[in-house]
Amino acid sequence: EIVLTQSPGTLSLSPGERATLSCRASQRVSSSYLAWYQQRPGQAPRLLIYSASVRAADIPNRFSGSGSGTDFTLTISRLEPEDFAVYYCQHYGSSLLTFGGGTKVEIK
Amino acid sequence: QLLLQESGPGLVKPSETLSLTCTVSGSSISSTTYYWGWVRQPPGKGLEWIGSISYGGSTYYNPSLKSRVTISVDTSKNQFSLKLSSVTAADTAVYYCATDPNPIAFDIWGQGTLVTVSS
Repeated sequence: EIVLTQSPGTLSLSPGERATLSCRASQRVSSSYLAWYQQRPGQAPRLLIYSASVRAADIPNRFSGSGSGTDFTLTISRLEPEDFAVYYCQHYGSSLLTFGGGTKVEIK
Repeated sequence: QLLLQESGPGLVKPSETLSLTCTVSGSSISSTTYYWGWVRQPPGKGLEWIGSISYGGSTYYNPSLKSRVTISVDTSKNQFSLKLSSVTAADTAVYYCATDPNPIAFDIWGQGTLVTVSS
């Protein structure tokens, strides 16, 4: 079973700054099956990135994903006020889905 | 545009079965090749995938919940449902239904419904 570890647990940044979030898999995974979600307080998760680097529909281009093997990264180039939220990575494999524990991006 | 809405009891007693329904609007379940799933989130915690059902009726469950979970589709009502048996307080969570044409992620989500397990 794949375990996804996200770091840091909390990221304190100011609007306009760059955010770099990490997702590490317990074993090598296909980048085709790695996704990222954003969850704002009181809302359902929102798919941002799938296949490690492909933005979902209507997702701003300040969000980008990268990585391969066991290490994946979500980058937000310049934080907007609405970007302060919790972010989850997710893997699909053997017909099962697994989520990471999440990274909270908070206003500094 | 596909929309999802969860419904069901907000309070379930320990040892009983939690039953939720997700109503699909904007398209007919039977005419799509989508994967339909359930994800839950205990208060203040992260996301946990419960299971999914394919357009062909194949089911896939989280191994940690497999013995207690059933997901099914009712095409006549354009709904899919979740049943979780023998619930305990640890099953208290917001339950989301979700879907996508591809099984690798969920692009469309319901708003979620809080289910509390308590006597």
